[in-house]
Amino acid sequence: AQRVTQPEKLLSVFKGAPVELKCNYSYSGSPELFWYVQYSRQRLQLLLRHISRESIKGFTADLNKGETSFHLKKPFAQEEDSAMYYCALSGGATNKLIFGTGTLLAVQP
Amino acid sequence: EPEVTQTPSHQVTQMGQEVILRCVPISNHLYFYWYRQILGQKVEFLVSFYNNEISEKSEIFDDQFSVERPDGSNFTLKIRSTKLEDSAMYFCASSETGGDTEAFFGQGTRLTVV
Repeated sequence: AQRVTQPEKLLSVFKGAPVELKCNYSYSGSPELFWYVQYSRQRLQLLLRHISRESIKGFTADLNKGETSFHLKKPFAQEEDSAMYYCALSGGATNKLIFGTGTLLAVQP
Repeated sequence: EPEVTQTPSHQVTQMGQEVILRCVPISNHLYFYWYRQILGQKVEFLVSFYNNEISEKSEIFDDQFSVERPDGSNFTLKIRSTKLEDSAMYFCASSETGGDTEAFFGQGTRLTVV
């Protein structure tokens, strides 16, 4: 079964602290993994994808096929990082997205 | 920057009525999607649309739902005989191609069935 699991509903950290948002997936094949972010009152937007192996706004995510994980990390959180973060996988003929339940990141001053 | 546009932003309808949610995808995109998010739950895939036909649909997308691209720009989701449990945020998305290309989302339409 295709599934994305984000175990934390809420992650609260202080500004400057490291952040790790967990994501595990289940997929029989080679999925594409993504992190989408939704800032307050804004639309869902792509943060990063595993295939591009890039760092966006200081965030990185490494695909670990052995652990079927795609955790999102940032060494020093900023207040503007506060948002809802969704891990998603894409697969199949139409590349629909399968989302996790999301983690609300709250960065305290 | 081009973006996906959805109208209306909020729709209130009585149970049993039909609603049409509208979306204008980004103009050069070829793949179109509808997702929904019931309050407090995950974003769920409903349907994908390519080359003027449904390419994939989820179990949620039963005979109550239909999609259409009536002209070159609009992409609509029709929900017939709405039920209370249809209350959700409905997101439209489009992508240039399939594969790992980015899906661009609209702001969503909040549907409230009373």
